[in-house]
Amino acid sequence: SQKIEQNSEALNIQEGKTATLTCNYTNYSPAYLQWYRQDPGRGPVFLLLIRENEKEKRKERLKVTFDTTLKQSLFHITASQPADSATYLCALTADFNKFYFGSGTKLNVKP
Amino acid sequence: EAQVTQNPRYLITVTGKKLTVTCSQNMNHEYMSWYRQDPGLGLRQIYYSMNVEVTDKGDVPEGYKVSRKEKRNFPLILESPSPNQTSLYFCASSAFEGPNTEAFFGQGTRLTVV
Repeated sequence: SQKIEQNSEALNIQEGKTATLTCNYTNYSPAYLQWYRQDPGRGPVFLLLIRENEKEKRKERLKVTFDTTLKQSLFHITASQPADSATYLCALTADFNKFYFGSGTKLNVKP
Repeated sequence: EAQVTQNPRYLITVTGKKLTVTCSQNMNHEYMSWYRQDPGLGLRQIYYSMNVEVTDKGDVPEGYKVSRKEKRNFPLILESPSPNQTSLYFCASSAFEGPNTEAFFGQGTRLTVV
């Protein structure tokens, strides 16, 4: 089955800096890759979707890149704020209908 | 308000006692799925459904059953729960074909099997 790797170590950054999170996957390349935010005890919330033919996608302070050669997606939050502190999950589809999620990276933004 | 509703939020049960976790969505979504989330393992898909009466196994289906008799409901059934099914469970729905669109998640059900 598809395997997704996200850095299990928490990322600690200072407010105002850019946070960069990494998602690596194995096996064949997905057609779509999604990023979600999850707060403690809550369900994930969708942030961005990027297609295999898109190199980059932006939404306000968020930017996602998708490199099918490296089998990697990068998720950036610019001008980070303490309210951005959460766990961020990447997800991809394989076997057309199945979803696979990474275990997430916890982001801590310090004032 | 568009939402996915799971019940119950918390459940403690004993080994072998059948239980059902309900999931309902009000967005007329075709695709629904169940996940379990365990520390270090992330979200793993248990079962999914493309539409009414159409269900299929995800990555970890053993010990679970589902049904999709109505478009809005997708209950998760544990016929004989065991302690290794202690986990945080999420139901999710999305429009059209699941991979192409965002998934909306319920608030989660924390299940403990003793």
